[in-house]
Amino acid sequence: LAKTTQPISMDSYEGQEVNITCSHNNIATNDYITWYQQFPSQGPRFIIQGYKTKVTNEVASLFIPADRKSSTLSLPRVSLSDTAVYYCLVGDVNRDDKIIFGKGTRLHILP
Amino acid sequence: GAVVSQHPSWVICKSGTSVKIECRSLDFQATTMFWYRQFPKQSLMLMATSNEGSKATYEQGVEKDKFLINHASLTLSTLTVTSAHPEDSSFYICSASPLGTGDHYEQYFGPGTRLTVT
Repeated sequence: LAKTTQPISMDSYEGQEVNITCSHNNIATNDYITWYQQFPSQGPRFIIQGYKTKVTNEVASLFIPADRKSSTLSLPRVSLSDTAVYYCLVGDVNRDDKIIFGKGTRLHILP
Repeated sequence: GAVVSQHPSWVICKSGTSVKIECRSLDFQATTMFWYRQFPKQSLMLMATSNEGSKATYEQGVEKDKFLINHASLTLSTLTVTSAHPEDSSFYICSASPLGTGDHYEQYFGPGTRLTVT
């Protein structure tokens, strides 16, 4: 399992774009990058997943450079309700293996 | 989307008693479910992998005789905390991914169960 490194915490303001970067220097060829969001006292929720370049959905965008050693989750125009912990996970989605969560990034949106 | 439920959502029990937590996939089947524990301000810690029809696989440091896991069907896994102690108080979360999706990292998580042992 590739080790991931994220900032422990980030603050931003409502209406801003927030970018959270995750480092995964040891990512393997078959590994994908997956991001989860967790609100207090709730289970995590899948946000987005990608392998390379850029992926966009209704919630976020995921930017992955060519070397795939890092990735950036981009949240457009955040609101107070985006205050949560965001986890970056890296692994082979086709392997029926356990999923290990890192420490995540605690994002705090200010009014 | 796929929904995972947990019951109860919260439970208070006395030290020395046992507590059962259910995890159900409501609209899909799953051969594998995962159980996590989360302490305040900390990340999710994987406790065990629950496999339908076979024994669970426990992570290092997790006592299998204390945290009994049963995966009796493709939609139900249970975690029983036996002889609970105050240090077992935590937030317990399960997850599963639908059969045949081919994406093991797209897990669906339950809402969690808050256990308080007094």
